[in-house]
Amino acid sequence: NAGVTQTPKFQVLKTGQSMTLQCAQDMNHNSMYWYRQDPGMGLRLIYYSASEGTTDKGEVPNGYNVSRLNKREFSLRLESAAPSQTSVYFCASSPRDSSFNQPQHFGDGTRLSIL
Amino acid sequence: QQQVKQSPQSLIVQKGGISIINCAYENTAFDYFPWYQQFPGKGPALLIAIRPDVSEKKVGRFTISFNKSAKQFSLHIMDSQPGDSATYFCAARGGPYSGAGSYQLTFGKGTKLSVIP
Repeated sequence: NAGVTQTPKFQVLKTGQSMTLQCAQDMNHNSMYWYRQDPGMGLRLIYYSASEGTTDKGEVPNGYNVSRLNKREFSLRLESAAPSQTSVYFCASSPRDSSFNQPQHFGDGTRLSIL
Repeated sequence: QQQVKQSPQSLIVQKGGISIINCAYENTAFDYFPWYQQFPGKGPALLIAIRPDVSEKKVGRFTISFNKSAKQFSLHIMDSQPGDSATYFCAARGGPYSGAGSYQLTFGKGTKLSVIP
């Protein structure tokens, strides 16, 4: 059981290049999330998808787009990368219900450097 | 506006000691308070969580204390071990990006814990 799988694990881009970060989960979860993690800033929500076919902005959506391709996959796209987008990106998923013991499960991240 | 404030930013504890990390929140609509543990090169993983109608929850050496009136909660790690060295994040479910059918987590900025032998 792989959980949440992110690809690639590392990437270096030049300013202005575009790139898509891929995320897939095999837990049959409805909701999926993209976060960025910067030193001293914790995890900040970029976009989320409550269910297949829906996406919404989080705290820091500028410069990003997302696609919920199907229930399993949620991709994050940088159309024109900027140095300020250098970060570690985490994808997460969770079930869509109100049960208490239903945490978000995280992938191991994509480390992105933009020169 | 920072929704969840976490302190300290870093913490050094001797092996066998007690590690204490504190968080405070403002939004009374938060309904679930998890703690995540993150090792270098890995994603955060759920450690322990509590509901606001419970004042304390213990799992092994890890205890959450929750004070609803003060809007504060804390993580205590008893008998801290070098293997506990990691970054810890408190979080709260709910908040400004919650939409129907999803359960947003708002995270604190993290505490880097180092347990020295």
